[in-house]
Amino acid sequence: GENVEQHPSTLSVQEGDSAVIKCTYSDSASNYFPWYKQELGKRPQLIIDIRSNVGEKKDQRIAVTLNKTAKHFSLHITETQPEDSAVYFCAASDDKIIFGKGTRLHILP
Amino acid sequence: EPEVTQTPSHQVTQMGQEVILRCVPISNHLYFYWYRQILGQKVEFLVSFYNNEISEKSEIFDDQFSVERPDGSNFTLKIRSTKLEDSAMYFCASSGGGGAGGELFFGEGSRLTVL
Repeated sequence: GENVEQHPSTLSVQEGDSAVIKCTYSDSASNYFPWYKQELGKRPQLIIDIRSNVGEKKDQRIAVTLNKTAKHFSLHITETQPEDSAVYFCAASDDKIIFGKGTRLHILP
Repeated sequence: EPEVTQTPSHQVTQMGQEVILRCVPISNHLYFYWYRQILGQKVEFLVSFYNNEISEKSEIFDDQFSVERPDGSNFTLKIRSTKLEDSAMYFCASSGGGGAGGELFFGEGSRLTVL
């Protein structure tokens, strides 16, 4: 079955700087790659997703890139703000969605 | 905005007891899921459900677990004889398209504590 690896497990960046979280997946049949943000004690919420027919997608300060050949995908957050502090999960799916272990992002004042 | 609702928000039970967690998915969604998250860890897939039957389950979803859609709106997860290691947050989710077909919408979760 699908296995999703996510790095780093913890990331601290200065407010205003960029944050990058990287994931790899194992199943070449996966064709949908969502990213979820989970604030403490809350449910995961979708922030952006990308499908395998697209290499890059951007939504304001958030962008995702996908390299299907290498089975890599990444989340980029620019101009980070305090409210970006949360745990971010990447995921991959062909029929069921499998999550990575999460990255705890701290935005430092 | 429609959302997935779950009850109870928190349940405390003794080891060996049966627990039923309830979910009301978004009304026009066809694909239903249960995930669990042990404190501080990742969100783990348990089971997917479509067309009134299980479509896929993980190795976590052993014989002590079962799911049911008893009526047109509820989707339940039953744990027959709870163990200490079942303590976790259980999230129900639904999707209009299934898998790669659509966004997963999560409920707020049911926190299960097994003593």
